[in-house]
Amino acid sequence: SAVISQKPSRDICQRGTSLTIQCQVDSQVTMMFWYRQQPGQSLTLIATANQGSEATYESGFVIDKFPISRPNLTFSTLTVSNMSPEDSSIYLCSAADTGELFFGEGSRLTVL
Amino acid sequence: SQQGEEDPQALSIQEGENATMNCSYKTSINNLQWYRQNSGRGLVHLILIRSNEREKHSGRLRVTLDTSKKSSSLLITASRAADTASYFCATPLYSGGGADGLTFGKGTHLIIQP
Repeated sequence: SAVISQKPSRDICQRGTSLTIQCQVDSQVTMMFWYRQQPGQSLTLIATANQGSEATYESGFVIDKFPISRPNLTFSTLTVSNMSPEDSSIYLCSAADTGELFFGEGSRLTVL
Repeated sequence: SQQGEEDPQALSIQEGENATMNCSYKTSINNLQWYRQNSGRGLVHLILIRSNEREKHSGRLRVTLDTSKKSSSLLITASRAADTASYFCATPLYSGGGADGLTFGKGTHLIIQP
């Protein structure tokens, strides 16, 4: 199974700033994804991070707000731009390996 | 949109009892997965069951899948305090199967009373 490391694990941010979350997988994986989990809610897929091309965003999420990079098969970043309190959530990176989806520990962001 | 819906939303039982959680989904799937999340941390993959399987076991976990009813259940036997967590079912977001992102249900919050 893939081991996924995310950082930061948590942060407190000021309104209007941007924060980049990093995700590192210990092996090469084909698919990487970013999810958001708002307080008390389930997970919602933000986008699929595509290696070498633009990410594929789900309905309700746009590149300007959540730019994603994936320079290689083991690493991806998610930026939460121009943050507002509504962006306070846990952001989780995941990777698909042999049909199963593995998750990092998540990055808990609080926007003041 | 979320496809899986778990019930109950919350479940509190005594240690040693069995816990059963159910999940219903709306469209055809080729697999269904169950995850556990402890206190807002990352998700831990528990088990994947494919559409051609009816039941699968892993330790104290038993998962069933009824594709005719579009439902699945997760049974945890001989529960322990460490089983206290939220449990989510998840199905492929699109029809492609294992390489897709997943859509998650709202989860069942399980509390094991010592």
